[in-house]
Amino acid sequence: GAGVSQSPRYKVAKRGQDVALRCDPISGHVSLFWYQQALGQGPEFLTYFQNEAQLDKSGLPSDRFFAERPEGSVSTLKIQRTQQEDSAVYLCASSSPGGYTFGSGTRLTVV
Amino acid sequence: AQSVTQLGSHVSVSEGALVLLRCNYSSSVPPYLFWYVQYPNQGLQLLLKYTSAATLVKGINGFEAEFKKSETSFHLTKPSAHMSDAAEYFCAVITASGGSYIPTFGRGTSLIVHP
Repeated sequence: GAGVSQSPRYKVAKRGQDVALRCDPISGHVSLFWYQQALGQGPEFLTYFQNEAQLDKSGLPSDRFFAERPEGSVSTLKIQRTQQEDSAVYLCASSSPGGYTFGSGTRLTVV
Repeated sequence: AQSVTQLGSHVSVSEGALVLLRCNYSSSVPPYLFWYVQYPNQGLQLLLKYTSAATLVKGINGFEAEFKKSETSFHLTKPSAHMSDAAEYFCAVITASGGSYIPTFGRGTSLIVHP
């Protein structure tokens, strides 16, 4: 597609529920990034893929967070047993040598 | 590790006035630096980037930034603010990690434009 597509745009989850957030990168982009952006803060790095390989997951805040990109294109960020502190906008980006393109994000609210 | 600091969480200007948003970086190697803009409920849009070519970088919407190594700064400016410039602005530096390049962002500066 022309841009990075993320779904859903909004997600409300009850505390303890599992959620899955999807990212469709720009076709042909090898690198894919996930960021967490809390209200009033800058994006914080979560994890990075090169094709299907997860090369860096140092930013994942706990073992409740899991990301995958099994075929090197679409990626899913899964959060298990959601907590209120997980409420944030989750941004996905893909990159080419020309630069980084961000999606519009998924706003997760845990109630 | 590389990092950026944005001075001032909020900047307020009048329409037509100069815009100055500050960013200082910390890097042990020549950095790649970016400015992004974020409008409400949208993703990040690239304004401009510095990749060790010209130190004065021109971006979209009339914005520009100057890389000053001696001051470790990459401040964003625009000569005349428009109402449509009201948004959140983020400075970012590229952090190298195992052969890959990962953007690291500042906390952001909210630009408020008064009529």
